[in-house]
Amino acid sequence: QKEVEQNSGPLSVPEGAIASLNCTYSDRGSQSFFWYRQYSGKSPELIMFIYSNGDKEDGRFTAQLNKASQYVSLLIRDSQPSDSATYLCAVNVIGNTGKLIFGQGTTLQVKP
Amino acid sequence: ETGVTQTPRHLVMGMTNKKSLKCEQHLGHNAMYWYKQSAKKPLELMFVYNFKEQTENNSVPSRFSPECPNSSHLFLHLHTLQPEDSALYLCASSLAIANTGELFFGEGSRLTVL
Repeated sequence: QKEVEQNSGPLSVPEGAIASLNCTYSDRGSQSFFWYRQYSGKSPELIMFIYSNGDKEDGRFTAQLNKASQYVSLLIRDSQPSDSATYLCAVNVIGNTGKLIFGQGTTLQVKP
Repeated sequence: ETGVTQTPRHLVMGMTNKKSLKCEQHLGHNAMYWYKQSAKKPLELMFVYNFKEQTENNSVPSRFSPECPNSSHLFLHLHTLQPEDSALYLCASSLAIANTGELFFGEGSRLTVL
C-alpha cells in the first residue's frame, strides 16, 4: 500500500472553475500535511500546509484535512491557466526525523 | 545569490565515472536534504542533514555518498552508477528539522547515466 496516494490525472478544468485535488495517506499518526506545486521543468514550491482538522484558506487556495478519514485535499477557486502544474501532496512522518513522504502528484490542466 | 543553488544543472556520466553534485543554500537554514525524482514516481527522500550531521539515510545504495561540510553546503558524490540512477536530483533546505515540510528546493541536477 502506497503511503501517500494521489490520482495522477490529468485533471482538466475550465478557466474559472474550482479544481479539487485529493490525497490519502496510510500512517494514522501523521501530523502535518503539505501541498507543493511543480511547474513542468521546475522544482517543487510549497503553496499550503495544514496541521489541524478542517479548512485553511489562503487566497484562492483552500486546504482541507480530515484525519479520521486520512484524507487531505486542495481546492483552487477561480482556476487560471497559470495554475496548470503538478500538485504534490506530502505528509510528515512523526518524530521530526526530517522524513517527508510525497505522493506521485496530480497534474492539473486549466483550459482557457 | 539567493535561495538554493545546485550545480551542475545537467550531468552525463558513464557507469565507471566519479562525479559530484553540489548544493548551496543562502537562506540561513540548518537542515538540508537530497531527493531523487524519477519519471512517474513520487519524490524520494535520500538523505537528511541537520546542523551538518546526517539524521536520515533512506536505504540509499553506497554508490551515492553524501557530504555536508557545513549547514550551507551539501554534496552528493556519485560513483559506479547504474542507468536506472538517471533522474533529477533535488537538493532542499528547511529552517530546521522541525520544519521539514517547509522545504525550499533548488532547481535540480538532471543526471543521465550511460
